[in-house]
Amino acid sequence: EAEVAQSPRYKITEKSQAVAFWCDPISGHATLYWYRQILGQGPELLVQFQDESVVDDSQLPKDRFSAERLKGVDSTLKIQPAELGDSAMYLCASTTGTSARSDTQYFGPGTRLTVL
Amino acid sequence: QKEVEQDPGPLSVPEGAIVSLNCTYSNSAFQYFMWYRQYSRKGPELLMYTYSSGNKEDGRFTAQVDKSSKYISLFIRDSQPSDSATYLCAMSGGNYQLIWGAGTKLIIKP
Repeated sequence: EAEVAQSPRYKITEKSQAVAFWCDPISGHATLYWYRQILGQGPELLVQFQDESVVDDSQLPKDRFSAERLKGVDSTLKIQPAELGDSAMYLCASTTGTSARSDTQYFGPGTRLTVL
Repeated sequence: QKEVEQDPGPLSVPEGAIVSLNCTYSNSAFQYFMWYRQYSRKGPELLMYTYSSGNKEDGRFTAQVDKSSKYISLFIRDSQPSDSATYLCAMSGGNYQLIWGAGTKLIIKP
């Protein structure tokens, strides 16, 4: 069964350092999402891509976060500089994006970030 | 007020019990309703998907949507310790963006 791949699974970094997360969606899925999930809360959308274009990044803290999906396949989310409050699970999800009736998102295992 | 409200729990029940998990929402434009299950330190996995109102059954799981009351439910029959997880409701108006509940932590005691 096809899965969303993410790496690394765990990342520990110090405050003010740069970190990067990678996501490879299910093959053929045009829409890709990055979420942040704080313990005990639901996922919070950071950025949504349709192919290589950003559809929504209204909740992305653009002073320190950036995301790209250059060839419309895999994607990278970067934080620079990391802050203590960035400690969370970063989730990537994908969907076909071809029909609202198939608007179900498939998630990767996530990257758990700890900022010291 | 959040668009989707979900009791965070934890909800603790004995093995074999029927579990009822619920979410309420305020946006009448929502048409697609989902339940995701999330085990500790893992990504959410889709459990049930329902379009508009009505019931949907899959094995021990039943999803119900009552759009008139803006209320959705997930029932788990014959609950097992392996069902212990956080259950997240999510919904959409068809714009490929999901609005999430906070998740309910469920504990099934052997």
